Amino acid sequence: AQKITQTQPGMFVQEKEAVTLDCTYDTSDQSYGLFWYKQPSSGEMIFLIYQGSYDEQNATEGRYSLNFQKARKSANLVISASQLGDSAMYFCAMRDVGDDKIIFGKGTRLHILP
Amino acid sequence: ETGVTQTPRHLVMGMTNKKSLKCEQHLGHNAMYWYKQSAKKPLELMFVYNFKEQTENNSVPSRFSPECPNSSHLFLHLHTLQPEDSALYLCASSIRQGPSTNEKLFFGSGTQLSVL
Repeated sequence: AQKITQTQPGMFVQEKEAVTLDCTYDTSDQSYGLFWYKQPSSGEMIFLIYQGSYDEQNATEGRYSLNFQKARKSANLVISASQLGDSAMYFCAMRDVGDDKIIFGKGTRLHILP
Repeated sequence: ETGVTQTPRHLVMGMTNKKSLKCEQHLGHNAMYWYKQSAKKPLELMFVYNFKEQTENNSVPSRFSPECPNSSHLFLHLHTLQPEDSALYLCASSIRQGPSTNEKLFFGSGTQLSVL
């Protein structure tokens, strides 16, 4: 069965520092996709970045990058040069090939300190 | 504006009421989703519709009844709810094209439901 684990319920980071949010996953499929979403206090879920299981390069989108370690089943999100607006909940998610559903982890609440 | 609109934004209902949540997407997607988000729990997938056909029902109690009349509209009919059903209900949509994994979800702003 699919499972997503985010072990950091909350993190406090100084503005302009880099931050790594942890995500591990479990699946029996060889082909799958991994996603990160941001949820500000307004409640809207915002897509950040995607990594396919067969992608050889780690995904990057602006200040976001995904540290994908397939053998360890790890897909950590790295935010470089954090900003106050990065304060939010962050969710890791996964979809298996051919599967309509996407499952989510419990999330990490990130606080950026001025 | 994300292209996915949910109404109402807030809903308070008694346990004997019947109400409906509405979701509409203007993105041309063919799959629509209902998720429940409670405090201290992961987002729980409730239902998935692909081309109007229900493809996932994640053991949701029958007091929640989904309806997908077309690929652009999704409803969640509520009746005889319990206080523990109070949560943020999020609708999402995506394109689904065969055995792929990269189709991301686009979410609405959610309906905050309180059951008294």
